Amino acid sequence: GESVGLHLPTLSVQEGDNSIINCAYSNSASDYFIWYKQESGKGPQFIIDIRSNMDKRQGQRVTVLLNKTVKHLSLQIAATQPGDSAVYFCAENSSGKLTFGQGTILTVHP
Amino acid sequence: NAGVMQNPRHLVRRRGQEARLRCSPMKGHSHVYWYRQLPEEGLKFMVYLQKENIIDESGMPKERFSAEFPKEGPSILRIQQVVRGDSAAYFCASSSLSRLDEQYFGPGTRLTVT
Repeated sequence: GESVGLHLPTLSVQEGDNSIINCAYSNSASDYFIWYKQESGKGPQFIIDIRSNMDKRQGQRVTVLLNKTVKHLSLQIAATQPGDSAVYFCAENSSGKLTFGQGTILTVHP
Repeated sequence: NAGVMQNPRHLVRRRGQEARLRCSPMKGHSHVYWYRQLPEEGLKFMVYLQKENIIDESGMPKERFSAEFPKEGPSILRIQQVVRGDSAAYFCASSSLSRLDEQYFGPGTRLTVT
């Protein structure tokens, strides 16, 4: 069946470094992707989204890249801070239903 | 602006009891979604509702689970005769009609079945 999955389950970085979190998806018909951040004990928090007619979108300290050829999505966080430590999920929205990847645990060391 | 609200935040039920989880969407949002998250896993879609209508319930177990979103009041996810496997975090999200793709999540209800 279709799925959205992540390459790396954990990522540890030093404060100030840039972080890159990757995601692969299998549904070539997907046209809308979202990155969520989930802190312990909380609900997912919307970070940034991208539609399939784009290959890059930038927000505040975050950039999402979409490579439709290889069905790959990445989230780049610039100047990572301890407050960025969380689980990051990519998700695909299909007719209102979000399909989430497994998640990547990002740990930022001071 | 208040975000998506869920209550209770924690719920403990014995096997065989009923669990009722409530979700109040963000102001102005008319679409509600329920997701379940098992420990160390991603969220799994359960059901998508609009006021008084179920749009997509393809992720709902066929038995014991039901959901509603009445004209007035919160959306309710109801689990009858709970079993230990129902223990999970249940998240509600909402979106507006004009921006259906953007789903905003509540803090979740953590259900523990003993």
